[in-house]
Amino acid sequence: AQSVTQPDIHITVSEGASLELRCNYSYGATPYLFWYVQSPGQGLQLLLKYFSGDTLVQGIKGFEAEFKRSQSSFNLRKPSVHWSDAAEYFCAVSSGGYQKVTFGTGTKLQVIP
Amino acid sequence: NAGVTQTPKFQVLKTGQSMTLQCAQDMNHEYMSWYRQDPGMGLRLIHYSVGAGITDQGEVPNGYNVSRSTTEDFPLRLLSAAPSQTSVYFCASSTETNYNEQFFGPGTRLTVL
Repeated sequence: AQSVTQPDIHITVSEGASLELRCNYSYGATPYLFWYVQSPGQGLQLLLKYFSGDTLVQGIKGFEAEFKRSQSSFNLRKPSVHWSDAAEYFCAVSSGGYQKVTFGTGTKLQVIP
Repeated sequence: NAGVTQTPKFQVLKTGQSMTLQCAQDMNHEYMSWYRQDPGMGLRLIHYSVGAGITDQGEVPNGYNVSRSTTEDFPLRLLSAAPSQTSVYFCASSTETNYNEQFFGPGTRLTVL
């Protein structure tokens, strides 16, 4: 069965600092990978996705993520964090078709001035 | 396009009451899903549908029913509400041609007293 691990429950960074949120997945074949962001009291918005091809994918709001098959990872990065990036971030994996999408437990990002 | 809509936004129930959470999408997606979100648990799949007339259970189906009579609508019924069903509920739609990327509604915050 597929699974997703986000090892960091809560991360605090200073505004302007770089950010990396970790995501590890378990799935036998090539996965489809997603990062979603949820602002307080809001629904989930897609940041970026990986299906195939270039392993470095660009998303909205200046985020990027790199698929590393050898490490079963899909870490999310941003070079310079803005206060508006404070939110909860979810990594997800799908095997396509209607196989269910499995979500990680989320990483809550706090941004301090 | 309205995307995925959910009603109501907030609901308070007493133990034992029943209610229906409404979900509709206007993107002609064949797949629809219901998730619940609880602190520290990420999103857990309750029920899903791969097309009109076809539904199946997710990982936490007990206490919930669904039906899908049209492509657009996918209501979630709580048969006899329990405090353990206090949660935020998200409906999502997706399509196989987009690798099952989930498009989320704004959510319903349910409290069961």
